[in-house]
Amino acid sequence: SQQGEEDPQALSIQEGENATMNCSYKTSINNLQWYRQNSGRGLVHLILIRSNEREKHSGRLRVTLDTSKKSSSLLITASRAADTASYFCAILDNYGQNFVFGPGTRLSVLP
Amino acid sequence: EAGVAQSPRYKIIEKRQSVAFWCNPISGHATLYWYQQILGQGPKLLIQFQNNGVVDDSQLPKDRFSAERLKGVDSTLKIQPAKLEDSAVYLCASSSIRMRAGNTIYFGEGSWLTVV
Repeated sequence: SQQGEEDPQALSIQEGENATMNCSYKTSINNLQWYRQNSGRGLVHLILIRSNEREKHSGRLRVTLDTSKKSSSLLITASRAADTASYFCAILDNYGQNFVFGPGTRLSVLP
Repeated sequence: EAGVAQSPRYKIIEKRQSVAFWCNPISGHATLYWYQQILGQGPKLLIQFQNNGVVDDSQLPKDRFSAERLKGVDSTLKIQPAKLEDSAVYLCASSSIRMRAGNTIYFGEGSWLTVV
């Protein structure tokens, strides 16, 4: 399956700490994207990283991609209570045909 | 710029009844997606349209689910008859072109279905 698998399934941290989530996949990809979903809401796009890129930044977000290990990580620095949400990685396969989401990591940031 | 609009936001029906969800994508977006998200899981693609043609409906349970996108703009997703396991959030999304170019997908707020 091309589906990404996030790790951990759930993460609880204190405000101000950093949160790291990982995504592993099985086959070649075109790009990998991270999305956030607040409770009861739709998904919001956070960042896209292409297969020829190794690292991208967006505000307090840092995403890395290691195609040799078929894995990506999302780092949220200086977390805030508003970061509490589920985070999903989504894989676009090399044929550009299938865009598949993983099961997500549920992040809780405690004030 | 208006986002992806979906209605209704919430629906409760009895099993074997029918339900329809409506989606209006971002203006100018050619590609429209319907995803099913069961509680605690990631979204699963049900069907993908490019303009008014179907690109991928391999995971759509065609015995009970149907979707159409007339005139390449709005779309409706119908379930008839509904089963208990259809309880989920139905997310509509759109993108300007197909994903190969690395464009992002924009999601609506979802339609929450409870089948009792």
